[in-house]
Amino acid sequence: DSGVTQTPKHLITATGQRVTLRCSPRSGDLSVYWYQQSLDQGLQFLIQYYNGEERAKGNILERFSAQQFPDLHSELNLSSLELGDSALYFCASSATSGLGSRELFFGEGSRLTVL
Amino acid sequence: DQQVKQNSPSLSVQEGRISILNCDYTNSMFDYFLWYKKYPAEGPTFLISISSIKDKNEDGRFTVFLNKSAKHLSLHIVPSQPGDSAVYFCAASAAGGTSYGKLTFGQGTILTVHP
Repeated sequence: DSGVTQTPKHLITATGQRVTLRCSPRSGDLSVYWYQQSLDQGLQFLIQYYNGEERAKGNILERFSAQQFPDLHSELNLSSLELGDSALYFCASSATSGLGSRELFFGEGSRLTVL
Repeated sequence: DQQVKQNSPSLSVQEGRISILNCDYTNSMFDYFLWYKKYPAEGPTFLISISSIKDKNEDGRFTVFLNKSAKHLSLHIVPSQPGDSAVYFCAASAAGGTSYGKLTFGQGTILTVHP
């Protein structure tokens, strides 16, 4: 158990819809990262938040957005869903975002299926 | 542009023998490298890491070797056990910038250890 909690574990929805994925980081971790793993792909970095503020952005689509709340949990919002958005979405946390640990602790992921 | 490559999609070894998983990278800015293990329906779990100032790091049965001139790293597992059967991801992090936790992952190698 990494200490990172993601909900829901599975989600099936239709094209054009909007979903929200939720992540609670490990206790005390200030940084939250979102990664996407599509079929037969490695994990792709989407976005990072540190203590409520956006810190880094990867190849995140404009239809996707994220935020980190004062209690440090984070949500990833996916809108106008397309078939190609079907993937595993992982959340990870780490203790610091600077010269500290780069060892991320991942949640179990949210599997999104768009039909 | 795939900056981290794991050219072997799969590897099969006998229990007790050595498993060697390889990873190549292209970005000279990478200065920290990690290996993650992933079981089905679970998130990636941190295994071992190495800084670019070292060429070897050992943790129990797991050893990571880094050859900076060749931009190559490898993970050795000795002796291999059936419980090591999983997908192994190589990941890299670059110095500088705003996010040390922005990891670039390889595609993964499926390791199967036969009893």
